Amino acid sequence: DAGVIQSPRHEVTEMGQEVTLRCKPISGHNSLFWYRQTMMRGLELLIYFNNNVPIDDSGMPEDRFSAKMPNASFSTLKIQPSEPRDSAVYFCASSLGMGQGFNEQFFGPGTRLTVL
Amino acid sequence: AQSVTQLGSHVSVSEGALVLLRCNYSSSVPPYLFWYVQYPNQGLQLLLKYTTGATLVKGINGFEAEFKKSETSFHLTKPSAHMSDAAEYFCAVGVQGAQKLVFGQGTRLTINP
Repeated sequence: DAGVIQSPRHEVTEMGQEVTLRCKPISGHNSLFWYRQTMMRGLELLIYFNNNVPIDDSGMPEDRFSAKMPNASFSTLKIQPSEPRDSAVYFCASSLGMGQGFNEQFFGPGTRLTVL
Repeated sequence: AQSVTQLGSHVSVSEGALVLLRCNYSSSVPPYLFWYVQYPNQGLQLLLKYTTGATLVKGINGFEAEFKKSETSFHLTKPSAHMSDAAEYFCAVGVQGAQKLVFGQGTRLTINP
């Protein structure tokens, strides 16, 4: 299994530009999570999906951020327009559903975003 | 609401010494507890988890953690540190029914030769 795949691994852009981060979850996993990691705020959950449906987006910082999951094997996190304070490492994670108990989340390698 | 506090943002130990990373949680219901490790420029990898049952949990790379309900703690230990253990370690609590993880701020572990 290839694990969670994220692209790009690094992104440098200028303030005001649109940024799209991509994630391919582990095949068969039906929950997908987007996290942001910064020195100041640590690891924050932005949004998560179950069976392609957004369940909780309360962590999305503002309207400039949006996330979609058009199918079980692909998700995007978009920032438009980007700002320097969006600079962070963005992680995607996936897990097996929302059944009983709590399922392990598998993390991708992250996308390091720098907004100049 | 669940929360996690990791005591000590930086811990430094000598190679071969005991590693102890502290984690306290707050949860109104029985918690699911996790330790993840993050090596430089990599994603997070699960070290171990507590769900139910035995309170002493063994994980990968010789790490273990003990769930102590009376102390609301889930400290991570390893008897003998290795240089390859240098990384950042995150404690997390699972939000029941929601599959959400709430992470602590992380502890950076440095191993001195």
